[in-house]
Amino acid sequence: EAGVVQSPRYKIIEKKQPVAFWCNPISGHNTLYWYRQNLGQGPELLIRYENEEAVDDSQLPKDRFSAERLKGVDSTLKIQPAELGDSAVYLCASSLQDRSYEQYFGPGTRLTVT
Amino acid sequence: GNSVTQMEGPVTLSEEAFLTINCTYTATGYPSLFWYVQYPGEGLQLLLKATKADDKGSNKGFEATYRKETTSFHLEKGSVQVSDSAVYFCALKGYQKVTFGIGTKLQVIP
Repeated sequence: EAGVVQSPRYKIIEKKQPVAFWCNPISGHNTLYWYRQNLGQGPELLIRYENEEAVDDSQLPKDRFSAERLKGVDSTLKIQPAELGDSAVYLCASSLQDRSYEQYFGPGTRLTVT
Repeated sequence: GNSVTQMEGPVTLSEEAFLTINCTYTATGYPSLFWYVQYPGEGLQLLLKATKADDKGSNKGFEATYRKETTSFHLEKGSVQVSDSAVYFCALKGYQKVTFGIGTKLQVIP
């Protein structure tokens, strides 16, 4: 069974530039999560989708961050414009709807903003 | 709000040594508790879980017991191997959201 796929694995951009991350969850997992993990910290939830609906985006900085999951499968997280403080690892995870405690994580995208 | 506190690493042990990684939590209600592991270059993986007080989660030789009276969920293993070198995250699930600790890096040397 394929795991959660994320791309790119690494991204270096200059501040004020846009950036996008892509995630393909495990087949059949209708819940998808985007987390941000700062250096030396645990993952912090940015947004959670149930199918194509964003059911928890309270921690998403909506002035510059956006996300979509148009067909309830793949998802894209975008930052525009990026700031120096956005440097972090962006993790995507998925789970079955009734097993949200058992999340499967992708390897993450390491973003460096210079 | 909910929070998880775990010991800062890195923790360095010799192979076959006994491992304890401490984790305490603050939460309203009755959360479920978890340990996730992140091997180098990989995503986080669920290692074990406990859903109610006095439950013991176990997997791959690791164990943790949900202690409500001390609000703790310490991770233990009797004999670590080099392959156990990873970052270990304690986590809790409240109503809907999972809250993670900062992670403890374990390095096992031969």
